[in-house]
Amino acid sequence: AQTVTQSQPEMSVQEAETVTLSCTYDTSESDYYLFWYKQPPSRQMILVIRQEAYKQQNATENRFSVNFQKAAKSFSLKISDSQLGDAAMYFCAYRGGGSNYKLTFGKGTLLTVNP
Amino acid sequence: SQTIHQWPATLVQPVGSPLSLECTVEGTSNPNLYWYRQAAGRGLQLLFYSVGIGQISSEVPQNLSASRPQDRQFILSSKKLLLSDSGFYLCAWSVSPGNQPQHFGDGTRLSIL
Repeated sequence: AQTVTQSQPEMSVQEAETVTLSCTYDTSESDYYLFWYKQPPSRQMILVIRQEAYKQQNATENRFSVNFQKAAKSFSLKISDSQLGDAAMYFCAYRGGGSNYKLTFGKGTLLTVNP
Repeated sequence: SQTIHQWPATLVQPVGSPLSLECTVEGTSNPNLYWYRQAAGRGLQLLFYSVGIGQISSEVPQNLSASRPQDRQFILSSKKLLLSDSGFYLCAWSVSPGNQPQHFGDGTRLSIL
């Protein structure tokens, strides 16, 4: 079974600085997808960024980028120029390829942004 | 554009009472639908998913059940709630297949007394 591990229960960053959130996963599949979701205090789950395993290029969405290391099964999220609105719980998630619809989530990292 | 509606937002129920949470999706057809539970301080646990009307897959055996009476309607139910059913319940949808992400509703906070 696939597992997703987020080893940092909590992280903090100063406003305007950069922070990296870690995620590792375990799978025997070669085709899969990885996601980062953000859950602010409102509890809504918001997609931040996604990565297809077959793509070597790291995904980027504005201030958010990932460092995808397929061999190491690592998928870290980098937030640049951190803003107060980035404060939230961040979840890493894995979905297998093909007709496998299931998302497996990590336990999350609580990010605090200090002014 | 697609939207997902989930209600109620908050629910307080006594132990042993029934439960019905509803989720509807607009702006898309034949979506995959999902129910998740998020216990306090934990990640999301997939409870049920559905790839079509009347098709339900259960991931975790428990006293909850799900139904999909219409293409864009997904219902989470229980005949008798337990204290351990407390949590935050999220409905989600996605298109299939491919790399498309799941999109979540605003969630229902369920407290069992």
